[in-house]
Amino acid sequence: DAGITQSPRHKVTETGTPVTLRCHQTENHRYMYWYRQDPGHGLRLIHYSYGVKDTDKGEVSDGYSVSRSKTEDFLLTLESATSSQTSVYFCAIRGQPGEQYFGPGTRLTVT
Amino acid sequence: SQQGEEDPQALSIQEGENATMNCSYKTSINNLQWYRQNSGRGLVHLILIRSNEREKHSGRLRVTLDTSKKSSSLLITASRAADTASYFCATAAPFNAGGTSYGKLTFGQGTILTVHP
Repeated sequence: DAGITQSPRHKVTETGTPVTLRCHQTENHRYMYWYRQDPGHGLRLIHYSYGVKDTDKGEVSDGYSVSRSKTEDFLLTLESATSSQTSVYFCAIRGQPGEQYFGPGTRLTVT
Repeated sequence: SQQGEEDPQALSIQEGENATMNCSYKTSINNLQWYRQNSGRGLVHLILIRSNEREKHSGRLRVTLDTSKKSSSLLITASRAADTASYFCATAAPFNAGGTSYGKLTFGQGTILTVHP
């Protein structure tokens, strides 16, 4: 599983509250990714990081921000959660020669 | 927008039969990958095929890539009930000059495979 953990694994929150999801890796990988998975949409990239403090937007970045202050942790923040952000969130790291290894996911429900 | 589109959306077969899933994409790629996802779990990488390769094997898996048609297929031979899962193709963008988009994947919506014992 490439040493990837996500926390929390499940969360229920109210509309308008901020939420932070954490991805932690133990193998010093440079590239990390956040995806969301919704029925009918597959996985969509939210943000990714190509190094400490180096991040960029994916295809569905509105309403999300990320931070990476150290190699092992990549945080995803929903600044003001909305019902449309109810989803399953996956973190991934990039291995060699280019495959990705995924964490177990976080199921987020926004009520 | 989705880069990869899988076909069929769902496939139901008997144990021992072969399962074939197809993936089409729209733009140039560096490589194409296939992933498997069991219900409620994260994705697991199965196989990667580079844009200059045409066929690749791994155990009971065979992947082909036709860059002229922008399509790929995943064949699972002698399927087992344990192969029941969703299968996704994902395309990796070509390297950009700064290297920042290196490794970004775009996923299709997946094929749900059910293998009956």
